[in-house]
Amino acid sequence: DAKTTQPPSMDCAEGRAANLPCNHSTISGNEYVYWYRQIHSQGPQYIIHGLKNNETNEMASLIITEDRKSSTLILPHATLRDTAVYYCIVSYNTNAGKSTFGDGTTLTVKP
Amino acid sequence: DADVTQTPRNRITKTGKRIMLECSQTKGHDRMYWYRQDPGLGLRLIYYSFDVKDINKGEISDGYSVSRQAQAKFSLSLESAIPNQTALYFCATSDPVTNTGELFFGEGSRLTVL
Repeated sequence: DAKTTQPPSMDCAEGRAANLPCNHSTISGNEYVYWYRQIHSQGPQYIIHGLKNNETNEMASLIITEDRKSSTLILPHATLRDTAVYYCIVSYNTNAGKSTFGDGTTLTVKP
Repeated sequence: DADVTQTPRNRITKTGKRIMLECSQTKGHDRMYWYRQDPGLGLRLIYYSFDVKDINKGEISDGYSVSRQAQAKFSLSLESAIPNQTALYFCATSDPVTNTGELFFGEGSRLTVL
């Protein structure tokens, strides 16, 4: 599975959009991009995933570049409860559980 | 009730003791996983199972063993605990039928080895 690179930390003002980048330059053609978040020390929570096209759900949007070497998770209106560690993972959908969770990005949403 | 339940949630033990962490799930998923998380770091895969009695080593299996006797249960054992196994342990499941790759995590088991 391809590895990912994320900034260790980011800040965002409450109510503003949070844009979390992820680089995955060695991604293979059929590998998906997955995003999870972990609030405090709770179990990670699935947010969204995509293959090539941009995706949106009730939690976030995922923008994948045309060459698929990077992606951005967008939380459109960040709240204090969005403060968490966000993990970007690249994996085949059949192997997702065997993926490596890197150290992620700690997002701090400030009032 | 949680779909993926881990017990115990917290455990303090001594070096050399045998410890078992239990994971049970009501999601009906065939695939189950055990991860370890050290402070400030990401999750590392210990073992995984794709079906009953199917056992596969992950990235950091040394010092651990697992058992999958039923679809709903996946147990992680530390035969002789040592202090550097102090960590937060997570169980997760995924569904090969839908094959979205989404993982469903338990709330974690915090283990301290003195």
